Amino acid sequence: QVRLVQSGADVRKPGASVRISCKASGYTFVSYSITWVRQAPGQGLEWMGWVSVNTGETKYAQKLQGRVTMSTDRSTNTAYLELRRLRSDDTALYFCARGHASYDIWAVHYWGQGTLVTVSS
Amino acid sequence: QSVLTQPPSASGTPGQRVTISCSGSTSNIGKNYVYWYQQLPATAPKVLIYRNNERPSGVPDRFSGSKSGSSASLAISGLRSEDEADYYCATWDDSLSGVIFGGGTKLTVL
Repeated sequence: QVRLVQSGADVRKPGASVRISCKASGYTFVSYSITWVRQAPGQGLEWMGWVSVNTGETKYAQKLQGRVTMSTDRSTNTAYLELRRLRSDDTALYFCARGHASYDIWAVHYWGQGTLVTVSS
Repeated sequence: QSVLTQPPSASGTPGQRVTISCSGSTSNIGKNYVYWYQQLPATAPKVLIYRNNERPSGVPDRFSGSKSGSSASLAISGLRSEDEADYYCATWDDSLSGVIFGGGTKLTVL
């Protein structure tokens, strides 16, 4: 079955960077893009962008442009999210997700378990 | 402030029918498909409805979606205690060139 397993929780200081991994299994990794969504404590869902595993093409949310990089390693079926110049409002649960053959390219169906990133001095 | 507007809360008693609305504009709901996600506490979201009114395999037919113009709705009939969760609508926005989510609706089963 499709599984997306994310790296563990992390604590970072303001101004630092964080890198989260998302290891995929149960399907052909190059067949679907990986999308990243985050959720601040007690808040709603926020789309961050996606990376095409097949082409490496990325699409980022406008508000994160310049601070975010999404990448993949096809040799290990792993996707990565890097967020730089962290601020306190980047504290959130970060999810990786994958689409479905019947969905629009931007929509997701399968989700990772989430990675809590806390930004605190 | 989300581009897609949902009521922050909704409630109903077991067996009732509840509807959650999602209001957008011509640049998002008006031109693109709507998806609905259910998020139980401390879990990842789950798709309930895709492409306005389609249900993924395994989702009960108590859940239904509709869309009219720049608004969409999720209906839950035969309400059950396990339906108590947060519900989010989502779609693509042509102006923002990105995915947008509604602010979420917390459903309470009384």
